[in-house]
Amino acid sequence: EAGVAQSPRYKIIEKRQSVAFWCNPISGHATLYWYQQILGQGPKLLIQFQNNGVVDDSQLPKDRFSAERLKGVDSTLKIQPAKLEDSAVYLCASSSRIAGTSYEQYFGPGTRLTVT
Amino acid sequence: RKEVEQDPGPFNVPEGATVAFNCTYSNSASQSFFWYRQDCRKEPKLLMSVYSSGNEDGRFTAQLNRASQYISLLIRDSKLSDSATYLCVVNSEDSNYQLIWGAGTKLIIKP
Repeated sequence: EAGVAQSPRYKIIEKRQSVAFWCNPISGHATLYWYQQILGQGPKLLIQFQNNGVVDDSQLPKDRFSAERLKGVDSTLKIQPAKLEDSAVYLCASSSRIAGTSYEQYFGPGTRLTVT
Repeated sequence: RKEVEQDPGPFNVPEGATVAFNCTYSNSASQSFFWYRQDCRKEPKLLMSVYSSGNEDGRFTAQLNRASQYISLLIRDSKLSDSATYLCVVNSEDSNYQLIWGAGTKLIIKP
C-alpha cells in the first residue's frame, strides 16, 4: 500500500515570499490533516478535511495560510507571505476515520520549510 | 495548563533497562489515547493505542488512568533502536475528534 506522499521535501524561501506544499493521502482515506511541527514541539493541527470539506481550521492563521482539497483527494497548503516563525516541518496525514471509533493517522515524510 | 503534558526529557537510559513515560491530559471528556513514536527528522508513527484495560505489545505496555487523567508507556529491556521521541496523543469527541499532541519525551538508549 502506498503511503502519504508529500512534496517538496525541503524548501528554503525568504520572508514575504510565498510557498505551496502538496499532499496525496493514502487511497481511500477520507480524512486529511495538515500539521505544523516546530522543532522540539509536538505537531499542531492547522486544518482537517473530511473529503473536500473543512472540518476544523480553528488554528490556521488565515491571514497568510490557505489550504484546499478540491476533489477530495490531494491537497495543497499555501503560505503567503511567509514569516520567519513559519520555519517548521509541515506534515500531512490521512486516516480512514469512522466517527466514534479510535483511528490511526498515517503521516507523510513532511516538508521542511526554512524562512530566511 | 497545557491540554496534554509530557516530561520533555531527554531520558538517558542504559540498554536493557526499563523506562516509563507519563502523560497527563486536561480534558476529562477525552475518549481515545495513543502513543506515537517519532525518530529524528522523520514523521510520527503509531506505536500503540491505549485501552481502558491496559494493553501490552511485546516489550511495550500502555496504561490508562481515567480518574487521574494520565496515561503511561512502559518499555522493558530497552534496545538501542528504541531511541526516539515518544508522543502522547489524546482525542475528544467534543473537539470534533481532533487529536491533541503532547510535545514528546525524548529517549536516548546508551550502549
